[in-house]
Amino acid sequence: KQEVTQIPAALSVPEGENLVLNCSFTDSAIYNLQWFRQDPGKGLTSLLLIQSSQREQTSGRLNASLDKSSGRSTLYIAASQPGDSATYLCAVIISNFGNEKLTFGTGTRLTIIP
Amino acid sequence: DTEVTQTPKHLVMGMTNKKSLKCEQHMGHRAMYWYKQKAKKPPELMFVYSYEKLSINESVPSRFSPECPNSSLLNLHLHALQPEDSALYLCASSRGGLVILGNEQFFGPGTRLTVL
Repeated sequence: KQEVTQIPAALSVPEGENLVLNCSFTDSAIYNLQWFRQDPGKGLTSLLLIQSSQREQTSGRLNASLDKSSGRSTLYIAASQPGDSATYLCAVIISNFGNEKLTFGTGTRLTIIP
Repeated sequence: DTEVTQTPKHLVMGMTNKKSLKCEQHMGHRAMYWYKQKAKKPPELMFVYSYEKLSINESVPSRFSPECPNSSLLNLHLHALQPEDSALYLCASSRGGLVILGNEQFFGPGTRLTVL
């Protein structure tokens, strides 16, 4: 059974710092990996999708990397801002008889201190 | 338009009530999903519809009944729920089809359900 873990569970950093969030998964037979952010009580906002053939994806101040062989992904946030405060979730996408299944990580609650 | 909409935003119901949650997308996506999220936990997959047919049921109790009337609409019918079913219910959609094409999932804002 696929297990997805995110460490740390919570992180507080001063505004302006660069930071890295970690995601690890136990089964490397994944198709894609997706990073989301979730504000309290809200839905999920897709940040980046990395296909299994890719090693990284970039969007603005965000950069996500994927190493399938080691079962790891990282989300790098540059020049953090208070608006980046949210819970960040990674999710691995596997195929189940042609249908997609998303398995979420445990999440990292990020607080950017002004 | 990359929006998935869900109604209602909030729902309070008794254990004997029957209610429905609604989800809609107009991105031409052919895969739609229901997730359940308890407080401070990640979302858990409940159902997957692919081309309007139920393709995955993650052993969800029968008091939850999904329906996909057309390619844009997904409903979740609720009946005889328990207080422990109180949660945020999230709908998502993706392009569907070949997984290898990289099907990004887009989520709605969710329905906050409270069962009394």
